[in-house]
Amino acid sequence: DAGVTQSPTHLIKTRGQQVTLRCSPKSGHDTVSWYQQALGQGPQFIFQYYEEEERQRGNFPDRFSGHQFPNYSSELNVNALLLGDSALYLCASSWTGGLNQPQHFGDGTRLSIL
Amino acid sequence: GQNIDQPTEMTATEGAIVQINCTYQTSGFNGLFWYQQHAGEAPTFLSYNVLDGLEEKGRFSSFLSRSKGYSYLLLKELQMKDSASYLCAVRDKGGATNKLIFGTGTLLAVQP
Repeated sequence: DAGVTQSPTHLIKTRGQQVTLRCSPKSGHDTVSWYQQALGQGPQFIFQYYEEEERQRGNFPDRFSGHQFPNYSSELNVNALLLGDSALYLCASSWTGGLNQPQHFGDGTRLSIL
Repeated sequence: GQNIDQPTEMTATEGAIVQINCTYQTSGFNGLFWYQQHAGEAPTFLSYNVLDGLEEKGRFSSFLSRSKGYSYLLLKELQMKDSASYLCAVRDKGGATNKLIFGTGTLLAVQP
């Protein structure tokens, strides 16, 4: 049973560029959440997707956008990259019907902005 | 506002017991989670509390007091592989989501 998978593992971009990160949820999960984790910090909630719609959003600018596909996989897009966007981006999946179940995390994408 | 506090670093000895505390102040509450995160890896689920009291799972136990906004993770019979960051996270009850609000994490170093 495959867990949450993310791609790519590492990515290097320059300021002003755009990036797309991808996530496939754990089998049986229908909800995908994205988090940003800066070095030495806890993950910060970006947004969550369910039924191909953004269900809730954290305190992140509109440069951060996302999408969920019919197969529940998801993408995170970041435009006009800033140096401060350098972080580990984590995808977590869960099942809406399992309110007492934990979110399962992927290994993340390490994004470095030069 | 939303605030979750936990110690930044802790050190303990192999074979000993360590308690990692977490206090929270959030606008909503629908459960508290503990995750373990080794450097460069994904957070992995350890425990979940939604009612007051102690939940035990092998060498790991977690306690919750909702009235005090307080939880702790207890690790027994420490092993070197337990050296990791331990994240306390509160599930926000806002909306129809299960958004998690994380603390900064406690970096635990287990020494021989």
